[in-house]
Amino acid sequence: EVHLVESGGGLVQPGRSLRLSCAASGFTFDDFGMHWVRQAPGKGLEWVAGVNWNSDSIGYADSVKGRFTISRDNAKNSLYLQMNNLRAEDTALYYCAKAMEWEFDSWGQGTQVTVSS
Amino acid sequence: SSELTQDPAVSVALGQTVTITCQGDSLRRFYASWYQQKPGQVPVLIIYGQNNRPSGIPDRFSDSSSGNTASLTITGAQAEDEADYYCNSRDSSGNLVVFGGGTKLTVL
Repeated sequence: EVHLVESGGGLVQPGRSLRLSCAASGFTFDDFGMHWVRQAPGKGLEWVAGVNWNSDSIGYADSVKGRFTISRDNAKNSLYLQMNNLRAEDTALYYCAKAMEWEFDSWGQGTQVTVSS
Repeated sequence: SSELTQDPAVSVALGQTVTITCQGDSLRRFYASWYQQKPGQVPVLIIYGQNNRPSGIPDRFSDSSSGNTASLTITGAQAEDEADYYCNSRDSSGNLVVFGGGTKLTVL
């Protein structure tokens, strides 16, 4: 059974940084692309970033490009999201998601990021 | 703003059929996928590719597409189908992912 567990969220001041992690198990991690999707309180889903199986293809939403960096460590079955220069509008529940191709067939429970002074 | 557009809310009588649409230029080239999210729960993939359902998803869920519009149809809506539904696909460049704004389905 696929299991994705996010961690690293919390309360942070605007302009500061945070690093999210996602620990994966139950599947061959380096066979699949992985993504981060967020959901602000009471709002819809927003794709944040994605990385293919070997990290040679990476994409970001315009809203985070230049501030966030997605990475993965296949040896550790882990996905990361380095978030710099955080803004209030980055406040959301951040989900780690496993991709089949461009669709997400497994999701973690999410980790909450709150940006506030 | 999203490159995929969904109606914010749709309602259906119990046991009737309802269609939720998703519009966007990228849908002329790429398939949409559909997710169901119930309050306080994680999104669940219900349709992907050309009308494919993951294991465990009831066959009352189906999808179709025409031009720039993808449609999710629930045939014989049940009370447990009341949820938010999101479409997603690639963006117009084909390199990024986009979600629709979501449709809140109410089963009357």
